[in-house]
Amino acid sequence: EVQLVESGGGLVQPGGSLRLSCAASGFTFSSYDMHWVRQATGKGLEWVSAIGTAGDTYYPGSVKGRFTISRENAKNSLYLQMNSLRAGDTAVYYCATSSSWEHDAFDIWGQGTMVTVSS
Amino acid sequence: DIQMTQSPSSLSASVGDRVTITCRASQGISNYLAWYQQKPGKVPKLLIYAASTLQSGVPSRFSGSGSGTDFTLTISSLQPEDVATYYCQKYNSAPQLTFGGGTKVEIK
Repeated sequence: EVQLVESGGGLVQPGGSLRLSCAASGFTFSSYDMHWVRQATGKGLEWVSAIGTAGDTYYPGSVKGRFTISRENAKNSLYLQMNSLRAGDTAVYYCATSSSWEHDAFDIWGQGTMVTVSS
Repeated sequence: DIQMTQSPSSLSASVGDRVTITCRASQGISNYLAWYQQKPGKVPKLLIYAASTLQSGVPSRFSGSGSGTDFTLTISSLQPEDVATYYCQKYNSAPQLTFGGGTKVEIK
């Protein structure tokens, strides 16, 4: 079964750091671009970062310079290192990917992990 | 950066009604457009990719159309289980992606 399982969420103070993990199974992890998407409570979906199969990384302006995405193919794992966290980073964080060669839309999502930034 | 604007932000319709949601890109994206359904408390689910291709297992009452800058998601006959928020997403510059703001669909 194709599966993504996130972990590492929790409560952190403003300015603090947190590292999220996403464990992949049921597919050839190293062959796929991987993404993080977040959703604040009651708000829409926001793409947070992506990493290609060659390790190339991409970020929107809202997190660039603060967040770092990485992958460890030998462990079928995706990571998101989040530094200088702000209240506005409070959200459920999902890892996601496209399992299709036809398109880059996300047909595989994890269940999400909650990050709360608060003093 | 290309922006994705959805309208309306919410709608209320009766069971059996035809529902149309619009997504507009600030620049042309060909047909690199996906639609997702997110039910309350659940993970988003891919409905449509390439603007009009139905994902496997998605009911045929859902359809998508458009190309370039203007896209629509249509539910031909709204059902109670379709209560959800719907998002469009562009992926023409993958792996950099952008979502629309979402449209909340409720039953009248």
